[in-house]
Amino acid sequence: EAGVAQSPRYKIIEKRQSVAFWCNPISGHATLYWYQQILGQGPKLLIQFQNNGVVDDSQLPKDRFSAERLKGVDSTLKIQPAKLEDSAVYLCASSQGYDQPQHFGDGTRLSIL
Amino acid sequence: QKEVEQNSGPLSVPEGAIASLNCTYSDRGSQSFFWYRQYSGKSPELIMFIYSNGDKEDGRFTAQLNKASQYVSLLIRDSQPSDSATYLCAVFDQTGANNLFFGTGTRLTVIP
Repeated sequence: EAGVAQSPRYKIIEKRQSVAFWCNPISGHATLYWYQQILGQGPKLLIQFQNNGVVDDSQLPKDRFSAERLKGVDSTLKIQPAKLEDSAVYLCASSQGYDQPQHFGDGTRLSIL
Repeated sequence: QKEVEQNSGPLSVPEGAIASLNCTYSDRGSQSFFWYRQYSGKSPELIMFIYSNGDKEDGRFTAQLNKASQYVSLLIRDSQPSDSATYLCAVFDQTGANNLFFGTGTRLTVIP
């Protein structure tokens, strides 16, 4: 079974630029999550999708972050414009259902200069 | 705000010893608990989950849950240097947000 795929693995941009991350979940997993993990902290949920609908985006900074999952499969997360404090690892995870174990992709390490 | 507390460590144990990792949580209504292992520079990897009070064993790993005390632990028997990693406790919130809340993790070092 293929795992959660994410790209790119690394990204370096300057502040105020925009960036996008892509995620393809495990086949058949209806629930998809984007997390932000700052160094030394646990992952923090940004947004949760159930199929192509948003379940929870209460911690997503909506003035600069956006995410979509148009066909209920892969998803993109965008930051525009980026701030220095957005430097983190962005993790995508998926699960069969909202209360089922989540499986993580390798993440995208974002550095803001 | 849901709280999941872990001792950040580092926790050092000699090879072959039992490593004990602890986690407390604030939401009494929480029902599902997960342990993830995260190697430096890597993504979290699920190693155990537990839903019922008591112990759950899987190989060298044992998860222990005490809902009355709002406490969940992970025991690693016969610790190996390859177990050196950060262990993240995660608690599923079913009373509101229906998502996982993670602790900050405990860094474990197994000394050969």
